[in-house]
Amino acid sequence: QQQVKQSPQSLIVQKGGIPIINCAYENTAFDYFPWYQQFPGKGPALLIAIRPDVSEKKEGRFTISFNKSAKQFSLHIMDSQPGDSATYFCAASRRVTNKLIFGTGTLLAVQP
Amino acid sequence: EAQVTQNPRYLITVTGKKLTVTCSQNMNHEYMSWYRQDPGLGLRQIYYSMNVEVTDKGDVPEGYKVSRKEKRNFPLILESPSPNQTSLYFCASSPVRTGGGQTQYFGPGTRLLVL
Repeated sequence: QQQVKQSPQSLIVQKGGIPIINCAYENTAFDYFPWYQQFPGKGPALLIAIRPDVSEKKEGRFTISFNKSAKQFSLHIMDSQPGDSATYFCAASRRVTNKLIFGTGTLLAVQP
Repeated sequence: EAQVTQNPRYLITVTGKKLTVTCSQNMNHEYMSWYRQDPGLGLRQIYYSMNVEVTDKGDVPEGYKVSRKEKRNFPLILESPSPNQTSLYFCASSPVRTGGGQTQYFGPGTRLLVL
């Protein structure tokens, strides 16, 4: 019940493409769903987050889509750029605990 | 500059030799946490602390100890390291506020190799 399943494990797209990373969770008590971006040699950094009272959140070229009934959420990167090449982690949390449960990560490569 | 610092960044040691990885944050955050990152397993929480003198186990605490004597510092201690603790370690901190959902700020990581 604590797991967050993330797919795919790796993804290669051409510049301008729209990579989509998917995550699924079981615990219906989760109420906060962030995505973290990690560049090689760096720690993860918050990219965008959503709460389950909305179905979509957009920040720049990054969009989270959230499907509460299916217990799934996904990250879309519009007009992807080589600089977006990184590892992306989805996570889920119960806000009162501060504890994040992370997915296994997706290594994204955007080819020029 | 607001940041989480970890030292050392790289460490090679041998089985059984006690080591400490330090973590410090300058953002006055109440919550601090240690994670390990392994290929195919993502980030898994080792220990966390909600405030000074308050620590608790995460999902993979075996073989690790922590202490929180000051708000800014949260060292990770491996009293008898074993090869299965070879990993990339991250410290993180965040504020604790009503409503939760606070951003966690991660350090740059410590890559540990236990021979």
